[in-house]
Amino acid sequence: AQSVSQHNHHVILSEAASLELGCNYSYGGTVNLFWYVQYPGQHLQLLLKYFSGDPLVKGIKGFEAEFIKSKFSFNLRKPSVQWSDTAEYFCAVNALGAAGNKLTFGGGTRVLVKP
Amino acid sequence: EAGVAQSPRYKIIEKRQSVAFWCNPISGHATLYWYQQILGQGPKLLIQFQNNGVVDDSQLPKDRFSAERLKGVDSTLKIQPAKLEDSAVYLCASSLGGVSYSEQYFGPGTRLTVT
Repeated sequence: AQSVSQHNHHVILSEAASLELGCNYSYGGTVNLFWYVQYPGQHLQLLLKYFSGDPLVKGIKGFEAEFIKSKFSFNLRKPSVQWSDTAEYFCAVNALGAAGNKLTFGGGTRVLVKP
Repeated sequence: EAGVAQSPRYKIIEKRQSVAFWCNPISGHATLYWYQQILGQGPKLLIQFQNNGVVDDSQLPKDRFSAERLKGVDSTLKIQPAKLEDSAVYLCASSLGGVSYSEQYFGPGTRLTVT
């Protein structure tokens, strides 16, 4: 069975700082990878996804993520954060071939951006 | 396009009571998911339906949890009897479905507190 780990539970940074959130997964086969975001009081929404091709994917709001297959990682980055990026971020994996195309989520990282 | 609807948004019950949650997926979405998200953790899949059939319920505590999607559209998740550890947000998601992975769209969730 696949599992996902996110290295940081909480991150606090100032506006204009750079953000990088780590995500590692364990699964020997092919995967689809996702980052979801949950802003305060809102529901989970997709930030970006990787299915195949260029391992550097760009998502909404200036976020990007890099898939490094050899490291089983899919880290999320943003060069310069804004106060509105305060949210909880979840990495998720869909193991291709597993029954039902289900998503396995990491534990989440709470990001607080100070103005 | 209307999103995934869930009700109620909040529920407080005492242990050993029963509770039911309702979900109406996005129109035309064949696949429906119920997740449990305990505070400080990522969502965990409880059950997945494809139309009105169960695809995966391997993590559903079947001694107390049940779910149905009788007409292949909306769904209910029931807990009977509830335990303190069932306190969580219950998320419903839907996707178009099919053989390959299709994006999941999440509802706002139902926050359950068991006292």
